Amino acid sequence: DTEVTQTPKHLVMGMTNKKSLKCEQHMGHRAMYWYKQKAKKPPELMFVYSYEKLSINESVPSRFSPECPNSSLLNLHLHALQPEDSALYLCASSQDRVRGPGYTFGSGTRLTVV
Amino acid sequence: GQQLNQSPQSMFIQEGEDVSMNCTSSSIFNTWLWYKQDPGEGPVLLIALYKAGELTSNGRLTAQFGITRKDSFLNISASIPSDVGIYFCAGQLWETSGSRLTFGEGTQLTVNP
Repeated sequence: DTEVTQTPKHLVMGMTNKKSLKCEQHMGHRAMYWYKQKAKKPPELMFVYSYEKLSINESVPSRFSPECPNSSLLNLHLHALQPEDSALYLCASSQDRVRGPGYTFGSGTRLTVV
Repeated sequence: GQQLNQSPQSMFIQEGEDVSMNCTSSSIFNTWLWYKQDPGEGPVLLIALYKAGELTSNGRLTAQFGITRKDSFLNISASIPSDVGIYFCAGQLWETSGSRLTFGEGTQLTVNP
């Protein structure tokens, strides 16, 4: 299995809702990432988990809350989002600090906040 | 923070033509990566470069890691319509806190049949 699977593919939520994005990989990668991508822009790093511990938080607002229950799963909990948070949210994984095939990205969750 | 300058921003070419795009940075990276992204999908890795000066090919794609570790180019030969998409360069830096990937702004490629 050489894929990163993200669910749901699309999500529409109100500003008072609580929702979660899910990411799963079975490649034995020990680093997992959340990126945010706006239209026609490059992905921007949000969080890095290394060996199931949060190692990098790029000053992301607290309305985004990551969680890594085990080495294969990564969640992003969303609460009280703003319309400007609408974007494509990408999950990725890699062999942390080991020469490998770069990052593997999922197909993303297209989030719309209304 | 680190920034990657990717050029050109967009290219409009005829099928069969060759394409070249490049990235430069003021910082050194451990690894340079080239990704392609189709609409509504995540980036897909095309080529990874690990050594300064390394030249690597993947089918019609050729990429090189600059000798200073601060730049890279990607060439696509004999373009075809399915080459359409956004191409991103990315520099990977290994830190004590983990691995960090920084992307260029992307090159939008359009191929006319």
